[in-house]
Amino acid sequence: TQLLEQSPQFLSIQEGENLTVYCNSSSVFSSLQWYRQEPGEGPVLLVTVVTGGEVKKLKRLTFQFGDARKDSSLHITAAQPGDTGLYLCAGVRNAGNMLTFGGGTRLMVKP
Amino acid sequence: EPEVTQTPSHQVTQMGQEVILRCVPISNHLYFYWYRQILGQKVEFLVSFYNNEISEKSEIFDDQFSVERPDGSNFTLKIRSTKLEDSAMYFCASSPGQGHSPLHFGNGTRLTVT
Repeated sequence: TQLLEQSPQFLSIQEGENLTVYCNSSSVFSSLQWYRQEPGEGPVLLVTVVTGGEVKKLKRLTFQFGDARKDSSLHITAAQPGDTGLYLCAGVRNAGNMLTFGGGTRLMVKP
Repeated sequence: EPEVTQTPSHQVTQMGQEVILRCVPISNHLYFYWYRQILGQKVEFLVSFYNNEISEKSEIFDDQFSVERPDGSNFTLKIRSTKLEDSAMYFCASSPGQGHSPLHFGNGTRLTVT
């Protein structure tokens, strides 16, 4: 079983603060995807990282894939209340499309 | 923007009954999936479907589960004899390709087995 562990599970911060969410595994993934999930909705893809060491930016969000493709991080700069939600990482194995999801990080940004 | 639609949004059924969860994937997508999320737990892969057959399935997807694409637009998940532990959110997803191709998820069907 390939596990993806996310940390922290819960994070409550003030507007304007920076934060980092981690996604770690002992297994290698061919790619890693980050999703955001709102209550009552399905996960919505934010980004896919494919190459070891890859960094992608999406406005105030920075995603990094570890050199060994076993871990990833999501950094949010100057968090806003609109960033509140559940952030999920999910890894793809070499073959097929099966996504292995992490347990999620529930972020709350207080105004 | 095209989206994956799922019906019903909430299904309540009695233990032992059969349920069919319905999904309409994005029209030009070729790969279809079912995932589930038990309350408070991780999103778990159930099955992937391509070219009218199952391409991959997890250990959760036992003989009680089946999938079908009956008419070229719908993609269904059937649970033959529901158990209490089948209560979960069931998400359908589709993608244009495999590998790194992004999955587009529906908003899910909440299944409650009583």
